[in-house]
Parts: sequence; C-alpha cells; structure tokens
Amino acid sequence: DAEITQSPRHKITETGRQVTLACHQTWNHNNMFWYRQDLGHGLRLIHYSYGVQDTNKGEVSDGYSVSRSNTEDLPLTLESAASSQTSVYFCASSESAGFGTDTQYFGPGTRLTVL
Amino acid sequence: EDQVTQSPEALRLQEGESSSLNCSYTVSGLRGLFWYRQDPGKGPEFLFTLYSAGEEKEKERLKATLTKKESFLHITAPKPEDSATYLCAVQAGTGFQKLVFGTGTRLLVSP
Repeated sequence: DAEITQSPRHKITETGRQVTLACHQTWNHNNMFWYRQDLGHGLRLIHYSYGVQDTNKGEVSDGYSVSRSNTEDLPLTLESAASSQTSVYFCASSESAGFGTDTQYFGPGTRLTVL
Repeated sequence: EDQVTQSPEALRLQEGESSSLNCSYTVSGLRGLFWYRQDPGKGPEFLFTLYSAGEEKEKERLKATLTKKESFLHITAPKPEDSATYLCAVQAGTGFQKLVFGTGTRLLVSP
C-alpha cells in the first residue's frame, strides 16, 4: 500500500546543531508539505513544494529549509536548532498539480526536542 | 487574514450521547473545508471535504455540514473508539493549496 513515512519518529538534539527530518511518500504525489504542531496553535505550514526543484515558504519558515530532488522525498532541515523549534513535525502530500483543491494526507509525525 | 476557530476545546460524552462540534471560519473565498481526526501520537487522518454551503457528508456515526460561516461535525450515538481530537481546516483564496487549521476539539467518549 502507498504511504507516507517520517523518520526519525523521535529526536533529541542540542541548541545550535543542524537537524534533518526525513519525509518519504510512495503515492507519487506532486505536492508535499511540512507543518509543525504546537499546543494552542494548531498545525502551521513551514514549507511546501509543488514538484521537483520547487520549494516555497510557509507562514513559519524562519530557521528551516527544504529541498526537493525527486518526487518521493522532502527533507526538512533545521540549520541551527533552537529551543523554540521543539515541536511535533508533520509531513503531508497531495496529488493535484497546480492550484486545485485537494486532500492532504499526513505522515505519523516526528517529535523533536531541542535542549 | 484567514482564521479558523473550533469549539468547544474539549468535550466529554457518555457512550450513545450525541453532540456536535463547531468550526467557524473567516476566509476570503472558501475553496474547501476539511475535517480530520487525530489520535494521540499519530498524524491527522482525513475524514471529509466540503466545498459549498448546504453540502453534507456522512461516514458511519459522523456527519459534516457546511454553511457560509461555519461547519458542524455531528456525532450520533458515539462509541469510545470515537475519542480523538477533531481538526478543521480551510483552503481559501487563490494560488496554492495552503490549509489553515483550527486548534481542534478533544473528544472523550466514556463507556
């Protein structure tokens, strides 16, 4: 069955370190998204991609970067981890190319703690 | 600015006690309203998409409805396995598939 996976599921790191969270989907979806989920804020969009070599900033992109070298993967990098980036991170994907209204399907999440 | 507000924040029901969750929204040009279910430690699971006022969708004990200002998720005769956080999200405007999420309603159904 097609799916979306995230790794690691849990990560503890120190302030200032670079961290990369992996997201892999086997649906062959064009669009991929990264969100963070914090108490009182709901899910907030960090970065998104409409296809290979395309990346765009979301509402909370400072301190994060992404790159899309193939259809299946969208890794999220924290350049220099900060305690404010302690959160649960979710990757999502959707099928439609372009600007259609399409359902986003979510991965299981990565819980990141920055000490 | 697009906004989504869900109420109540938490709801406790007895098994079989029907109720409704509310999602009110302020957006410029609604393109779709989405309901997700989220269990502890897991990612959101898609339930429904509603596109226009008056639309209704059903799945087992859940029924979602949409007006021009809000959506309701009706839960009929809930069971303990319906306990979860229910998230509402809207897609609005033009340009790309951004979802704006509410903070969710935590539902606990007791036997």
